[in-house]
Amino acid sequence: DGGITQSPKYLFRKEGQNVTLSCEQNLNHDAMYWYRQDPGQGLRLIYYSQIVNDFQKGDIAEGYSVSREKKESFPLTVTSAQKNPTAFYLCASRKWGGAGETQYFGPGTRLLVL
Amino acid sequence: QQQVKQSPQSLIVQKGGISIINCAYENTAFDYFPWYQQFPGKGPALLIAIRPDVSEKKEGRFTISFNKSAKQFSLHIMDSQPGDSATYFCAAIVSGNTPLVFGKGTRLSVIA
Repeated sequence: DGGITQSPKYLFRKEGQNVTLSCEQNLNHDAMYWYRQDPGQGLRLIYYSQIVNDFQKGDIAEGYSVSREKKESFPLTVTSAQKNPTAFYLCASRKWGGAGETQYFGPGTRLLVL
Repeated sequence: QQQVKQSPQSLIVQKGGISIINCAYENTAFDYFPWYQQFPGKGPALLIAIRPDVSEKKEGRFTISFNKSAKQFSLHIMDSQPGDSATYFCAAIVSGNTPLVFGKGTRLSVIA
């Protein structure tokens, strides 16, 4: 069953704590993306990666970090420097190449601050 | 120039009516325009997409109209149903591996 999995579904963060959100895909896609969605808001790009061991900052990268050690995996760490982390986090992937390739999204992780 | 402007922000339509969501862009290099549908608590899913070499694409009750000269495209949902109630995002991309540029979304409510 192909697709994108994100875990956990819900995540609670304490003050000053770093937390890591998992994203795995078995679609053999080269490009992976992380978005943040606030209630009633659009999708804001945090980081993206086009190939293994390479990634670029999106529009709101401050307070976040990523790694891309494997093609299938693109974990996102929300650091203590991110002062307002409560949001719905979406991972996505897309096949390398033409614009017509569909971008698929995972089911999301909701991060809440205790 | 990388923005995609989407309107309205929210829309209420009677069951059986037509829902229309509009998007405008500035970057003439955009060459693929997808629409995504998102239900509460779920990830967005591709609904329908169009390339700028056609003026209209229809899939079931969903139609994209594309006006290249005006740099606008719109989503029409015919015979709108309560199950269509969701948030809709338009997007645009330049060929290659650049990220999709998303509109800010339209929250559609279809009432009986």
